[in-house]
Amino acid sequence: GIQVEQSPPDLILQEGANSTLRCNFSDSVNNLQWFHQNPWGQLINLFYIPSGTKQNGRLSATTVATERYSLLYISSSQTTDSGVYFCAAGANQAGTALIFGKGTTLSVSS
Amino acid sequence: DSGVTQTPKHLITATGQRVTLRCSPRSGDLSVYWYQQSLDQGLQFLIHYYNGEERAKGNILERFSAQQFPDLHSELNLSSLELGDSALYFCASSFRTSYNEQFFGPGTRLTVL
Repeated sequence: GIQVEQSPPDLILQEGANSTLRCNFSDSVNNLQWFHQNPWGQLINLFYIPSGTKQNGRLSATTVATERYSLLYISSSQTTDSGVYFCAAGANQAGTALIFGKGTTLSVSS
Repeated sequence: DSGVTQTPKHLITATGQRVTLRCSPRSGDLSVYWYQQSLDQGLQFLIHYYNGEERAKGNILERFSAQQFPDLHSELNLSSLELGDSALYFCASSFRTSYNEQFFGPGTRLTVL
C-alpha cells in the first residue's frame, strides 16, 4: 500500500524561527491533509491540500503531486506551535483510509 | 472545534471486558471513520461507514465491530479487551468519500488494566 514518510522526526526551535516539514508519499493521492496534534491529543486540521499551495496565517503548505511530496511551512514559530505534526494521504490503492506518517515532533522554546 | 463529537472522553476498564465508543459526525457528513492511535503502531485506520453501510476495513481486530445508525452516529464496540488495546480512538467524518477532507473528533482515551 501507499507509504507516507515524514521528516525530520524531531525539531527543536527558538520562538520566532521558521521551519519546513516534509512529507513524501509513494503513490498518487486523492487526499493529502496536514494535522497538528496538541498536547491534549486533539487532531487539528491544518490543510487539505492534495495539490497546489495554501496559506493560513503563519502556516502555509505546498503539495507537488507529480513529485509525490508535500511541505508544511511554519513561520515566526510560537510556543503554542509545539506538538506533533502529521501528514496523511488518501489514495485509491488504500481504499478510503487516510494513511498517516509517523509525525514530526516540534518543540518551540521561548 | 471540528464539529465531530465523541463520548466518553476517557474510559478505564479491565481485561476481558467490553466497551462501546460513540461518535456523532459533523452536520451533513455521511461518512464516519474510526482510527486507533497507539504508541507502537501510530495512527491506524480501522473502519469506514458511509450512510449506514460498511465501506472499508483496515487493521480492525475480529474482537472489534462497528455500526452506523440511521441518524448517522456511529458506535465502535471493543470486546474481550486486552492490555494492548489501550489507545486513543478517534472518529472522523467527511461529507461523502475519502476524497473529501476528514475532520477528527477529540478522541476517546481507553485504558485497559
